[in-house]
Amino acid sequence: GAGVSQSPSNKVTEKGKDVELRCDPISGHTALYWYRQSLGQGLEFLIYFQGNSAPDKSGLPSDRFSAERTGGSVSTLTIQRTQQEDSAVYLCASSLALAGGRYQETQYFGPGTRLLVL
Amino acid sequence: AQKITQTQPGMFVQEKEAVTLDCTYDTSDPSYGLFWYKQPSSGEMIFLIYQGSYDQQNATEGRYSLNFQKARKSANLVISASQLGDSAMYFCAMREGRSNYQLIWGAGTKLIIKP
Repeated sequence: GAGVSQSPSNKVTEKGKDVELRCDPISGHTALYWYRQSLGQGLEFLIYFQGNSAPDKSGLPSDRFSAERTGGSVSTLTIQRTQQEDSAVYLCASSLALAGGRYQETQYFGPGTRLLVL
Repeated sequence: AQKITQTQPGMFVQEKEAVTLDCTYDTSDPSYGLFWYKQPSSGEMIFLIYQGSYDQQNATEGRYSLNFQKARKSANLVISASQLGDSAMYFCAMREGRSNYQLIWGAGTKLIIKP
């Protein structure tokens, strides 16, 4: 079946502009995750959703970052008033559930959105 | 303290040899899951193998196996018969507990397979 998709694949924006990044998870996956990866670094967790609910938003770097998920499916990560330090690859992943073993909790990743803030 | 430690920033291995990538973790929670992912230069993050803290046997997935030593809090990835296509970054990650569902990631190991 179809994997996780993300759009746009690349985004160049000017400092101060708002951007929206979209994630379409694997059908039937209830859990959805957003990560950020700076060049040559590991992944930084941002937020996860169980259904449409995000129980813990403490991973978001600042109040300029927000995320929502509607219909238990598509999620949007919004960055307001972008700064140059926001430049990174934003990765989305989904899993069948939050925990429960190999088949439930393995996260499958999308190809990412490469964001460049000039 | 680092939750996930990958001590090898980079490794060179001859094609067809086996390779072990180190990962140690730190948690006091009895319930956790350990993952290995591969990230080629194309950037996609590919799931390789999973080990649950209550799993009795070491996980295996094709050429990948996980050397899980619970008492030592070690979860090393073993790749048998390495191939040129195995050249990539490899990340170890942990899902800790049942109330915190983020994955905690190591810094990664860059593996280069030499022909």
